[in-house]
Amino acid sequence: LAKTTQPISMDSYEGQEVNITCSHNNIATNDYITWYQQFPSQGPRFIIQGYKTKVTNEVASLFIPADRKSSTLSLPRVSLSDTAVYYCLVGDKENRDDKIIFGKGTRLHILP
Amino acid sequence: DTEVTQTPKHLVMGMTNKKSLKCEQHMGHRAMYWYKQKAKKPPELMFVYSYEKLSINESVPSRFSPECPNSSLLNLHLHALQPEDSALYLCASSKLTVSDKELFFGEGSRLTVL
Repeated sequence: LAKTTQPISMDSYEGQEVNITCSHNNIATNDYITWYQQFPSQGPRFIIQGYKTKVTNEVASLFIPADRKSSTLSLPRVSLSDTAVYYCLVGDKENRDDKIIFGKGTRLHILP
Repeated sequence: DTEVTQTPKHLVMGMTNKKSLKCEQHMGHRAMYWYKQKAKKPPELMFVYSYEKLSINESVPSRFSPECPNSSLLNLHLHALQPEDSALYLCASSKLTVSDKELFFGEGSRLTVL
């Protein structure tokens, strides 16, 4: 399983764009990248998933460079309610019995 | 229905008690998961069921006993737990297809072992 490395914590202000980068140097050809958001005392919630280039949905964008050794989650115009822990996961798209393992995550704190 | 429902939300038990955590989903998902999460730590995988069969056991102590009676239900039986087992227990489900690995989580069961 590819290991991921993220910043332990980040602070930003309301209305700003926030970019959280995840490093996954030993990502394999079949691996995909997924991001989850978790609020205190709740289960994680899926945000976005991608394999290469750029993926965008109504919540966030995911940028993946050509070498796929890192990825960046971009949250546009954050609000106080975006304060949460964000997890980057790398997993084998072809493996039906996937061990979905969470890394340490990034604790994002949005300030007014 | 895109919900995973976990009961109870809170559970307090003594070290000699036997209790169970329950999880239910009606999304037709064929994989179900138990995770354990301690405060300020990431969720830690415990068990995975695929098509109602135990496919992954992450070397979890036998005082935790999972059960999958059918494709919609997942139980975690608890017996002779230790205070260090106090944590948030999260259930999740997924479609178990190679093209879609999204996990849907419940709100969790907060367990306190006295």
